[in-house]
Amino acid sequence: EAQVTQNPRYLITVTGKKLTVTCSQNMNHEYMSWYRQDPGLGLRQIYYSMNVEVTDKGDVPEGYKVSRKEKRNFPLILESPSPNQTSLYFCASSSWPVKEQFFGPGTRLTVL
Amino acid sequence: GQQVMQIPQYQHVQEGEDFTTYCNSSTTLSNIQWYKQRPGGHPVFLIQLVKSGEVKKQKRLTFQFGEAKKNSSLHITATQTTDVGTYFCAGQKTSYDKVIFGPGTSLSVIP
Repeated sequence: EAQVTQNPRYLITVTGKKLTVTCSQNMNHEYMSWYRQDPGLGLRQIYYSMNVEVTDKGDVPEGYKVSRKEKRNFPLILESPSPNQTSLYFCASSSWPVKEQFFGPGTRLTVL
Repeated sequence: GQQVMQIPQYQHVQEGEDFTTYCNSSTTLSNIQWYKQRPGGHPVFLIQLVKSGEVKKQKRLTFQFGEAKKNSSLHITATQTTDVGTYFCAGQKTSYDKVIFGPGTSLSVIP
């Protein structure tokens, strides 16, 4: 089954404790992206990747890091999380250029 | 920077009524996509429009891309309770650019 998986689905952490949210897709997609969703703001793109070792900033990259060492994986790293990073995070993948984006189930992150 | 706006933010309709959401970009787009997100779920792709003035239909849903490629609309005829959710438009300046989502229109359908 074609899918995008994210782990963990829920995470409560404290300020400053480094964390990684994993994202994996099994559709051999070149394009992968991370979004955060906050009430009233819709989906805002954090980072995206057009292929292995090729990444670029989205609209809200501050405080986040990504890497694309393999085509199927695109982890999101928060080196020093802060409460304003409390949000619902979605990973998505697509063929390139972007057409239909397939979204993962989401990761709800709370930073205390 | 590039902005994508949507109106209305919320819409409550009686089952059977029609619904329209409008999407407007501050810049010309190469394409626009529409997604639906059910409560508690993730966004699901509905359609992509790429041509100026394009109109596409999916059963009761009609999608339009404006002539200037700066606006789009989604129209649902005779809404059903299964249409409940938030509808997002998303655009790109070029096919190789970042994707900008609108804030979404939340649709409630009263049975």
